[in-house]
Order: sequence, then C-alpha cells, then structure tokens
Amino acid sequence: AQSVTQLGSHVSVSEGALVLLRCNYSSSVPPYLFWYVQYPNQGLQLLLKYTSAATLVKGINGFEAEFKKSETSFHLTKPSAHMSDAAEYFCAVSDSRGGSNYKLTFGKGTLLTVNP
Amino acid sequence: DSGVTQTPKHLITATGQRVTLRCSPRSGDLSVYWYQQSLDQGLQFLIQYYNGEERAKGNILERFSAQQFPDLHSELNLSSLELGDSALYFCASSVVSGQRTVGAGYTFGSGTRLTVV
Repeated sequence: AQSVTQLGSHVSVSEGALVLLRCNYSSSVPPYLFWYVQYPNQGLQLLLKYTSAATLVKGINGFEAEFKKSETSFHLTKPSAHMSDAAEYFCAVSDSRGGSNYKLTFGKGTLLTVNP
Repeated sequence: DSGVTQTPKHLITATGQRVTLRCSPRSGDLSVYWYQQSLDQGLQFLIQYYNGEERAKGNILERFSAQQFPDLHSELNLSSLELGDSALYFCASSVVSGQRTVGAGYTFGSGTRLTVV
C-alpha cells in the first residue's frame, strides 16, 4: 500500500521568498511521484514528476523537486515565489508496475499563499 | 484544454434528486477515475474504471454509482442527494496499459461543481 503525507496544510510566503512544500511517501515498491497544482476553480494540473530517472526533477513555472530515497521525501521548491503561484498543491504517489489497476494516491494538499 | 471533458460545469439541484455527471477521457486513455473534492474532506477517490470494467473503489457512497461505456466515456450517477454532497467532482484519465506508460500520471478534467439546495 502507498501513502503520501504533506506536512503543512497551509504555507504562507512573501513574494520573492523561497517556496518549500513538503511531501513524504510510503511505498512497498519503487515509487513514481508527482506534484499537481490546482488554481482556484480549476482542475489539477501536472507540475512535475519523478519516474526513476534523474532525482532532481524540474517542472513548469520554475518549480523543482528532489527525490530522496533515504528520507522517503519528494519536497517541492521554488527559489522565488510569485503572486501567481498562489494555489493548492498536491503530492501523489503511484507504484511503478502499471497495469489496469494503476492508481495514484494523493496527499491532502497544501494551500500556498503568497503575500505582496 | 487538458483533453478530459466534463459536463456540465455547474449543476444546482434540490435534495432528494438524482443527477448524472459525464466525463470523456483523453483520446487513447483507457482508465477513468472519479474524485470528489470538498472543503472538509479534501480530494477523495471514488471509483476507477478500466476499459469498461470497474477496477477500484474508494470512498463511494451506495447512493452513488458509475459506469464506463464502450466508447470509454464515463458517467457518475448521484441519487437521493443530500446537502453534504455539494462538492466539486473531478474526472481524470490515464493511458496506463503497461509499465512504459506508468509515468504518465493522470490528466484531470476541469470538474463539475454540484450544489445541492
């Protein structure tokens, strides 16, 4: 079974400050990991994903995440927050085996607020 | 446009009524997933279909049911609606048919906002 824990349901940063959203996973098989972003009144959009290639993954809008197996973490970072980054962010895990039972398990989400 | 189409975008109905939400997956995707998102429960997995067959069930109420048709579109039926069923309902699709496509993740539709009054 897999699970995801997002530490902090709400993170507030100032514009220009570092963004750090934390995600820890639990998986009995090698995981694939994803970050999704949801802007108000919209669906979830894929931000980036780790699929066992490079451990440092770059995504859209300047975000990146690092897979650390020893820490079972996949934290999302951005060096300088922009007002447009205000949204809810979801971390998700799947196993790497695929098949018709393929399923993503999502964390509870972290709401990012960016203050001017 | 993500390629996953959900209709209607908004739905307002009265308690006790029945509604049907529709989802057309991205072209080529065989799996459809339904999620409910509310302020108090967050993103809750309801049910998954793969090529017309039910594959996984989550926190889906007995008043709710779903199906996937031969053309791969899916419908989520919600009956005997209660005020607490007011939420955003998302459909997502995935192409996964083998290990090489596992990294694709899900593609989400823009959701149907259901308001029960």
